[in-house]
Amino acid sequence: KAGVTQTPRYLIKTRGQQVTLSCSPISGHRSVSWYQQTPGQGLQFLFEYFSETQRNKGNFPGRFSGRQFSNSRSEMNVSTLELGDSALYLCASSFNGPANTGELFFGEGSRLTVL
Amino acid sequence: TQLLEQSPQFLSIQEGENLTVYCNSSSVFSSLQWYRQEPGEGPVLLVTVVTGGEVKKLKRLTFQFGDARKDSSLHITAAQPGDTGLYLCAGAGFNDYKLSFGAGTTVTVRA
Repeated sequence: KAGVTQTPRYLIKTRGQQVTLSCSPISGHRSVSWYQQTPGQGLQFLFEYFSETQRNKGNFPGRFSGRQFSNSRSEMNVSTLELGDSALYLCASSFNGPANTGELFFGEGSRLTVL
Repeated sequence: TQLLEQSPQFLSIQEGENLTVYCNSSSVFSSLQWYRQEPGEGPVLLVTVVTGGEVKKLKRLTFQFGDARKDSSLHITAAQPGDTGLYLCAGAGFNDYKLSFGAGTTVTVRA
């Protein structure tokens, strides 16, 4: 079956702009998690959605938001971009969610560069 | 501050040598997972350990979950260049719908 698809793979923005990233999970998976990966901080949890509901949110400012659609596809948005937002944004899908033994299937990520 | 501390941060060894990566926390986890990430790709699950004291072996890889479910280790025997990558441990809480990742250990196996 097809894996997790993230678009776009690469993008360059300037400070103050906003960006929307998209994630299509594996067919049948209802949970989508988003992570920010940077060399110094590793993977930092942004939020998790299940059946269009946000079940948990990480410690990121309100500029970071997300949503999930009825077909389980998810988007995340970052407004008023800052240089420190440059990172690899990873989306992961799972059947029930990242609790207990739930396995996360990751996409290849969207590489955001903020100039 | 990372909830999970991994050590070492970098590891470079010769093919055929053994290596161990550690993952430690002051928190208790319902389960702990290990992922490997290669450049340009997302992390891929290697194993999930659930029971305190559990040991799982996958070919040359041995994973151990601490008795108190706060720490874990990954041991690779006779490492090969194909083992090169970023190894990440991740802890699952109790119904909080997230995995907390360590910062990772970059392993390089030289031929």
